[in-house]
Amino acid sequence: AQSVTQLDSQVPVFEEAPVELRCNYSSSVSVYLFWYVQYPNQGLQLLLKYLSGSTLVKGINGFEAEFNKSQSSFHLRKPSVHISDTAEYFCAVSDGSLGSQGNLIFGKGTKLSVKP
Amino acid sequence: GAVVSQHPSRVICKSGTSVKIECRSLDFQATTMFWYRQFPKQSLMLMATSNEGSKATYEQGVEKDKFLINHASLTLSTLTVTSAHPEDSSFYICSARALFGQGTFFGQGTRLTVV
Repeated sequence: AQSVTQLDSQVPVFEEAPVELRCNYSSSVSVYLFWYVQYPNQGLQLLLKYLSGSTLVKGINGFEAEFNKSQSSFHLRKPSVHISDTAEYFCAVSDGSLGSQGNLIFGKGTKLSVKP
Repeated sequence: GAVVSQHPSRVICKSGTSVKIECRSLDFQATTMFWYRQFPKQSLMLMATSNEGSKATYEQGVEKDKFLINHASLTLSTLTVTSAHPEDSSFYICSARALFGQGTFFGQGTRLTVV
């Protein structure tokens, strides 16, 4: 069985400061990894995903994440946040195995609050 | 913690029939529920946003007559796939945003197979 742990439920940070949102997962098979963002009153948007290849993945809005297989982690980072980055962020894993519908398992989310 | 129950978890139906998927928040009220679809090995695609007591807002390219959404109460939203075809086979997942700001919680998903 797979699981996703987002270690921080809330992360307050000042504008222009760097931020890291942590995500760890457990899986007995190879996985695909995703970060989604949910702005207030909106649905999820895909920030970035790791399927294969380079372990450093760049996404939209200046975010990036690094897949670390040995640590089973996929932490999300941004070097300088803006007020507009205030949102909830979800990490998700999919086994994507052949024949599978690729169902996603989500973490519980991290609320990022950017203060001026 | 807050729980969103999605039912059924798996369903197989014949082409041309309709299938109803329920999304229920068990211990909190949700004014807004979201319905997503995931194709194999791909990320989620938002299909529609459902607000209690009003019509759902569909994303571009999603047929509202095919994917009927009803959000009749603060704890229940349903998605009905009408006249299903094999290309509708997918993984459908809902999420519910808690009324009092406790966050957004996901259902377990429904794997639909149309044969």
